[in-house]
Amino acid sequence: DIVMTQTPLSSPVTLGQPASISCRSSQSLVHSDGNTYLSWLQQRPGQPPRLLIYKISNRFSGVPARFSGSGAGTDFTLKISRVEAEDVGIYFCTQATQFPHTFGQGTKLEIK
Amino acid sequence: EVQLVESGGGLIQPGGSLRLSCAASGFSFSTSWMHWVRQAPGKGLLWVSRITSDGSNTNYADSVKGRFTISRDNAKNTLYLQMNSLRAEDTAVYYCVRDWYHTKDYWGQGTLVTVSS
Repeated sequence: DIVMTQTPLSSPVTLGQPASISCRSSQSLVHSDGNTYLSWLQQRPGQPPRLLIYKISNRFSGVPARFSGSGAGTDFTLKISRVEAEDVGIYFCTQATQFPHTFGQGTKLEIK
Repeated sequence: EVQLVESGGGLIQPGGSLRLSCAASGFSFSTSWMHWVRQAPGKGLLWVSRITSDGSNTNYADSVKGRFTISRDNAKNTLYLQMNSLRAEDTAVYYCVRDWYHTKDYWGQGTLVTVSS
């Protein structure tokens, strides 16, 4: 199985400041079709997960421009340019390149 | 608007069976792959199973293989998860999730399954 490792597991951030979450996979996430199926999800308290970023760097419909994704191969990053109060929650990276699909442990974003 | 509404969760004794349903609307269900993903209380996400659009191909996590069966009824726009031989460690919120070109794009609100005597 592909293991997804996120750092940090907790990130206290000041409102208006940037935040960054790293995700590392135990194997390359490049699929045989050439795509890299790495996504980022946001889970606000009491809510189901919501898709933010797909295929490394593509923002999903309705996702604010302050969210961005980057990376390649086995190393990926989610960045929030200026954190807002509504960004509080847990962020997960996930891969769909190989079965079983796997998720990172989650990074809890909280406001200082 | 894409909507996924799960039902069928509840309290069940260890060794028991339960069938979850997911009613889909707002998109072409019959051409979409679908997943079940679960989340134990206060824990992370665990992929459970996937089914292709016509139901001909399925995949399972090792922890549920042989006990859970994913299926669908495209005429009813409904996804199912039959869960047998339930264990305490199956206790979780179960989410129905749409697959969009290898991306889990829309998630239901989830249904809670509690396995306890």
